[in-house]
Amino acid sequence: DTAVSQTPKYLVTQMGNDKSIKCEQNLGHDTMYWYKQDSKKFLKIMFSYNNKELIINETVPNRFSPKSPDKAHLNLHINSLELGDSAVYFCASSQPGVTEAFFGQGTRLTVV
Amino acid sequence: GQQVMQIPQYQHVQEGEDFTTYCNSSTTLSNIQWYKQRPGGHPVFLIQLVKSGEVKKQKRLTFQFGEAKKNSSLHITATQTTDVGTYFCVYKAAGNKLTFGGGTRVLVKP
Repeated sequence: DTAVSQTPKYLVTQMGNDKSIKCEQNLGHDTMYWYKQDSKKFLKIMFSYNNKELIINETVPNRFSPKSPDKAHLNLHINSLELGDSAVYFCASSQPGVTEAFFGQGTRLTVV
Repeated sequence: GQQVMQIPQYQHVQEGEDFTTYCNSSTTLSNIQWYKQRPGGHPVFLIQLVKSGEVKKQKRLTFQFGEAKKNSSLHITATQTTDVGTYFCVYKAAGNKLTFGGGTRVLVKP
């Protein structure tokens, strides 16, 4: 029973395409995030939502659009994919007042 | 914004040996967390430190928060192959924003 689940796990697509990554958490957390991990393992926050409202938007190109239909889901849509978008994207969730964040297993996006 | 720097970037360790990875900030931190990411896996929370000079242990792992709350360290004794992975120090800011250090990638030689 996975706490934070992302789909798909792997995504290979051509430049210029539009793709979506889905994330769901069953922990009852109010806060969800998207992180990008580059080839050097550096993890950088992209977005944070609290109870369906956008809280953090870290100067991400507007080709990236998060959507939170409810507090258990945070999806990431990417338009006009570029080679530099290739990375592992992690969804995570946490709860205010609770120490740790829980991460999904990641989506490895490869743009060719 | 708040940044945390980690050294070394890579750590090659002989199985059975000890090593330490360090995390530094130019400003005082209210907390520091440590996460471990196994190869091909996702970050998993290990511990949080909040008090000046705090030391916490988890089996062979010892975590320390500096007196000035500007640095932290993770010391692993008697390294095992299960310790392979990338260790991140993380600052949790207001709004639950996690700022990750660059990570220390640990490779164990059997």
